[in-house]
Amino acid sequence: NAGVTQTPKFQVLKTGQSMTLQCAQDMNHEYMSWYRQDPGMGLRLIHYSVGAGITDQGEVPNGYNVSRSTTEDFPLRLLSAAPSQTSVYFCASRRQENTEAFFGQGTRLTVV
Amino acid sequence: GENVEQHPSTLSVQEGDSAVIKCTYSDSASNYFPWYKQELGKRPQLIIDIRSNVGEKKDQRIAVTLNKTAKHFSLHITETQPEDSAVYFCAARANFGNEKLTFGTGTRLTIIP
Repeated sequence: NAGVTQTPKFQVLKTGQSMTLQCAQDMNHEYMSWYRQDPGMGLRLIHYSVGAGITDQGEVPNGYNVSRSTTEDFPLRLLSAAPSQTSVYFCASRRQENTEAFFGQGTRLTVV
Repeated sequence: GENVEQHPSTLSVQEGDSAVIKCTYSDSASNYFPWYKQELGKRPQLIIDIRSNVGEKKDQRIAVTLNKTAKHFSLHITETQPEDSAVYFCAARANFGNEKLTFGTGTRLTIIP
């Protein structure tokens, strides 16, 4: 099993550009989430999904869209990148509510 | 929504001594409390978790205690080693049936040889 795979690992965007961060898991997990990690602020939930076709907003959803067309994939779309979206992004998946969350290796995004 | 506070933000201990990190949460309905370790440049990884029906859980040198009345839980690392140096995050899951795992702001633990 590859676990949770995120691509790309690094990305530089110009303000106003759009892009999609990819996340795929091969563990047949129902739950998938996107977090952003900023210095001194821990991990903040952007969007999450409890199954294919079901998504919901987390703590900091503005400027981001998600979809969950399959169990395996949960892409995160930045609609119009802003410098405030410079961060490290982590995708995570887990089997059910109170179980271990497995994180991807992260995507370091810089918006200039 | 749930709010998780974590203290201290940085902690330095001599190798072999114990380290304690504390977290408080706001939602009395929270029932799952994991701890994650993140080494520099790597992904967070679960090291221990506790559910609301138990007060303490141990795994070798690591233990977590939970006080539901006071709404706080703590991570205890004994006999610390250099490889324990990392950032540690506590988390709490607010409501049954959703995915909103709320994290604390992290503690940077440094083990001094």
